[in-house]
Amino acid sequence: DTGVSQDPRHKITKRGQNVTFRCDPISEHNRLYWYRQTLGQGPEFLTYFQNEAQLEKSRLLSDRFSAERPKGSFSTLEIQRTEQGDSAMYLCASSLGLAGGREETQYFGPGTRLLVL
Amino acid sequence: GNSVTQMEGPVTLSEEAFLTINCTYTATGYPSLFWYVQYPGEGLQLLLKATKADDKGSNKGFEATYRKETTSFHLEKGSVQVSDSAVYFCALLAGGTSYGKLTFGQGTILTVHP
Repeated sequence: DTGVSQDPRHKITKRGQNVTFRCDPISEHNRLYWYRQTLGQGPEFLTYFQNEAQLEKSRLLSDRFSAERPKGSFSTLEIQRTEQGDSAMYLCASSLGLAGGREETQYFGPGTRLLVL
Repeated sequence: GNSVTQMEGPVTLSEEAFLTINCTYTATGYPSLFWYVQYPGEGLQLLLKATKADDKGSNKGFEATYRKETTSFHLEKGSVQVSDSAVYFCALLAGGTSYGKLTFGQGTILTVHP
């Protein structure tokens, strides 16, 4: 078990470009989450998946953001027409997906740091 | 809505000093509570958790007790080490419509000097 992995670790892009990030969860985990962390703040929830179904989306996730988990394994987060305000650390987490979800531990990846120039 | 408030940082201590980082929360229902730690350049790691009132979570010398009456989950360690220098986040996981969504505090930077 290698834990949650994310790719790339760093991304620099110009305003208006599209970017895509990938997350590979822990292999037996059914739930996958995306969070965004800006400098000096705690992570903020963006969205989460139970297998391939996207079950909840934050209001932070504007129309320019889209997330997929097509086969219930890895996930991608795409940001279209990036803006300077999108600069942040994008964190992925996964959990087992047990029925007692309130007690579940989410395991985080190292994050992808995005800088929009 | 749900929210978590942590004490303002940064916190600077000498090695072997006692550590307290305060955390209070607002939530509907009965949340689970977590402390995560983030070392420089790394992702968040779970430090400890408690899932119901009066539970005590503990790990690596750190402890926190889930206090429903004061809606608090303060982090403590009796003797800190230089290697404990990191950012500490308090978080809650509520049920109901917030199912699956961790709500974090703003984080507290801890620096421990030899």
